[in-house]
Amino acid sequence: DQQVKQNSPSLSVQEGRISILNCDYTNSMFDYFLWYKKYPAEGPTFLISISSIKDKNEDGRFTVFLNKSAKHLSLHIVPSQPGDSAVYFCAADVFGNEKLTFGTGTRLTIIP
Amino acid sequence: DTEVTQTPKHLVMGMTNKKSLKCEQHMGHRAMYWYKQKAKKPPELMFVYSYEKLSINESVPSRFSPECPNSSLLNLHLHALQPEDSALYLCASSRGQGNTIYFGEGSWLTVV
Repeated sequence: DQQVKQNSPSLSVQEGRISILNCDYTNSMFDYFLWYKKYPAEGPTFLISISSIKDKNEDGRFTVFLNKSAKHLSLHIVPSQPGDSAVYFCAADVFGNEKLTFGTGTRLTIIP
Repeated sequence: DTEVTQTPKHLVMGMTNKKSLKCEQHMGHRAMYWYKQKAKKPPELMFVYSYEKLSINESVPSRFSPECPNSSLLNLHLHALQPEDSALYLCASSRGQGNTIYFGEGSWLTVV
């Protein structure tokens, strides 16, 4: 049972344009959400997070949006840069559980 | 500083060998984790240590044995592994509940 889903396995975006990565979840108990970026042969690098009391969090070029009623979150990267090419995982947690549940990942390719 | 250090980066072991993976963090984090990631799959939680005590074991086979000698160190002892245990093993740490989990670069394990 995949509680966190990233339905797009891959995405290609032109350099300078906006990249939008999507994530859906089924467990309504999740109240903390994170995005990680992963290069091959490396561990995931934390990018940005959002708690369920917010619907938007921004950090530089990265913005995460949370729609609790739709159980959907998205990561916007503006402007996209070649170094953003990587696999992006969304992850969700329930406060007190300490168990991150990861989505299946989306491979983002930025085209120069 | 969000550094989690894992050694070795690569390990090849036979099915009768005993080896250990090591993880270290000096961020004062009180929770430490082992995750396993197979190719093209999301990371999956194996163990959680909270205040040096094992708090979560995700039904991991006993051939994997975690150990937390102190608040900065986490080991994963490996014995009688199978070829299907070959994967990237990720260590992570956090301040605890509701806080961001930071990952190390991982240890690539190949069982032959």
